[in-house]
Amino acid sequence: DTGVSQNPRHKITKRGQNVTFRCDPISEHNRLYWYRQTLGQGPEFLTYFQNEAQLEKSRLLSDRFSAERPKGSFSTLEIQRTEQGDSAMYLCASSILRNNGKSHGYTFGSGTRLTVV
Amino acid sequence: DAKTTQPTSMDCAEGRAANLPCNHSTISGNEYVYWYRQIHSQGPQYIIHGLKNNETNEMASLIITEDRKSSTLILPHATLRDTAVYYCIVRPFYKLSFGAGTTVTVRA
Repeated sequence: DTGVSQNPRHKITKRGQNVTFRCDPISEHNRLYWYRQTLGQGPEFLTYFQNEAQLEKSRLLSDRFSAERPKGSFSTLEIQRTEQGDSAMYLCASSILRNNGKSHGYTFGSGTRLTVV
Repeated sequence: DAKTTQPTSMDCAEGRAANLPCNHSTISGNEYVYWYRQIHSQGPQYIIHGLKNNETNEMASLIITEDRKSSTLILPHATLRDTAVYYCIVRPFYKLSFGAGTTVTVRA
């Protein structure tokens, strides 16, 4: 296992197009998170899954954004009708929630850099 | 999540210890202190975390004050590859909220 994998690494799209990103977490990790990072800022939380259930969504996640984790393994993040303001790095992370209720040490992927032109 | 305050930037000489401060005066009893770093164009990397006691691993040491209102991350022998943005985060178990972090530049 080589960590969290994100594809594609870079995506350039025209405004108004739909895009989809994929995240493959560490195999035994049951929690998966999506973050967005714009230039000069820290990552901002978007949403997270525990297994296949989406448990929290940020207000940043407008109705043009949808995330899925259908079998509790990989996840996809889709942005419909992209806008220039969607240009950012989209980061995925995973962690394991242990039986003691504790979850430490996210592992992040290298991200997908989206440019909307 | 408790808010953290970090210096915007700091320089460090290669081979010397780098001490990165973080204030988190509103931390609550069940919130951990986490440190991550982000090297340019990569995802954040976990460094260390602690609740009350000082912690050490192969990357760094974390010193938490007795009142838990502040902490210091120590990189014992900084190298050029330690140049990155360092984030101090306090949280309960599941969600990380990043601030702007401290940009650390290690100089030869």
